[in-house]
Amino acid sequence: EVQLQESGPGLVKPSQSLSLTCSVTGYSITSNYWGWIRKFPGNKMEWMGYISYSGSTSYNPSLKSRISITRDTSKNQFFLQLNSVTTEDTATYYCARLVFRRVYWYFDFWGPGTMVTVSS
Amino acid sequence: EIVLTQSPTTMAASPGEKVTLTCRASSSVSYMHWYQQRSGTSPKLWIYETSKLASGVPNRFSGSGSGTSYSLTINSMETEDAATYYCQQGSSYPPMTFGGGTKLELK
Repeated sequence: EVQLQESGPGLVKPSQSLSLTCSVTGYSITSNYWGWIRKFPGNKMEWMGYISYSGSTSYNPSLKSRISITRDTSKNQFFLQLNSVTTEDTATYYCARLVFRRVYWYFDFWGPGTMVTVSS
Repeated sequence: EIVLTQSPTTMAASPGEKVTLTCRASSSVSYMHWYQQRSGTSPKLWIYETSKLASGVPNRFSGSGSGTSYSLTINSMETEDAATYYCQQGSSYPPMTFGGGTKLELK
């Protein structure tokens, strides 16, 4: 079965970059699509972006200037970098596998999530 | 961007009670997907393509709807169903969007 696991610092200072890793087991990231979602305090959830099986990316327009998603296929990992963070970026970050069906998308496997706090 | 509004925000149901959660979209979408999130765990795909149950989901759950109005129904509430449920659309993209969630508690 597909398993995903997020890792990275739990505390980031304002104006710095947030960097997270998603390690995938049981499935190759050279198939399907792989994304990041975050859940803010108060429960709002936001799709951040994805990287495809070929390495192409797509981002939420609200984050487009600050976000980058990359991958290392040799380690079966993909990465999130979010630049110039503020306290508004404090959230639980999840990585997930996306399913694409011609005209729609959904998320079928999720990691356990990692909480990131932005604070000086 | 399509905004999804879930109602109610919070509700409580007794064991055996029928429960209906609603998700309304600001514009028409092709399908709706639902996730269950229990406290301290990550979201789990629960219902996809509006009405298909994900693997392991009990058949007391069902999903329906079209256009801008969708619902998740529990035929007979059980203790383990207490959780927060989120709807999500991936038809009008980018971005894919989520509803604000309905917290379902046991009465």
